Amino acid sequence: ETGVTQSPTHLIKTRGQQVTLRCSSQSGHNTVSWYQQALGQGPQFIFQYYREEENGRGNFPPRFSGLQFPNYSSELNVNALELDDSALYLCASSLGRGGSTDTQYFGPGTRLTVL
Amino acid sequence: KNQVEQSPQSLIILEGKNCTLQCNYTVSPFSNLRWYKQDTGRGPVSLTIMTFSENTKSNGRYTATLDADTKQSSLHITASQLSDSASYICVVSDGFDTGGGNKLTFGTGTQLKVEL
Repeated sequence: ETGVTQSPTHLIKTRGQQVTLRCSSQSGHNTVSWYQQALGQGPQFIFQYYREEENGRGNFPPRFSGLQFPNYSSELNVNALELDDSALYLCASSLGRGGSTDTQYFGPGTRLTVL
Repeated sequence: KNQVEQSPQSLIILEGKNCTLQCNYTVSPFSNLRWYKQDTGRGPVSLTIMTFSENTKSNGRYTATLDADTKQSSLHITASQLSDSASYICVVSDGFDTGGGNKLTFGTGTQLKVEL
C-alpha cells in the first residue's frame, strides 16, 4: 500500500463525453503527477502539480487538464473523449517538488474505456 | 529523443530460479534510473533508484546494476517466487531537476511470469 488512492476504479464513457478522475495523495505530499498507460506500454507523463500550480506538462493536448487542492487531492479532467484515450490513468505523489530524485508513490489507477 | 528499451518483452521461469532483466537507455543528461514492479491492474511500486555514481543496489531478492558508460542497467531476481509475477519497468530521469516538471522516461516493461 502506497497510501495513494484513486477513484473510480473503472469507468466507461462514450466518444465526445467528458470525464473527471480523482486522486488522493499521501498526506504531506506537495507534488502530484498524472500518467496515461496504454495496454502493454509504459506510463506516459501528462502533467505535474506542485502546491496547486501546474509544474510541468508532457505532450498531451489542452483537453487534458488538472487541478490540485490544498487537502492533497487532485483531479484529471479530459474533455471531448476519443477512443485512443482508453487507458489506465495513474497518479503519483511525492514529498518534494517533483525533482528528479523524488520517490513517487503510485495509486492503483483508474481504468478508462471509451466506446 | 529520450528512449528506454527493455528486454526481454516477456519471460517465464520456474519458481526458485533466478532471472535477469535488461534495460538500455538513451536519456541525456542522465540523473537517475529506477526499477518499478507493477502487478496487473495496480500502480507501479518502486524497487530501486540509482544515481550516476552508484553501480549496484539491492532490495531484498532484487539487485539492480547500472553501467552509466554503456547506458545499461539490469535487474536480477534471486530465488523467484510466484508473487514476483508482474511487469518490471525501467525508468530513467534526465537531469532537469529544476522543480519545473517530471522528466521521467518509462520503458514498456518486461512481463515476468513465475510458474510452479
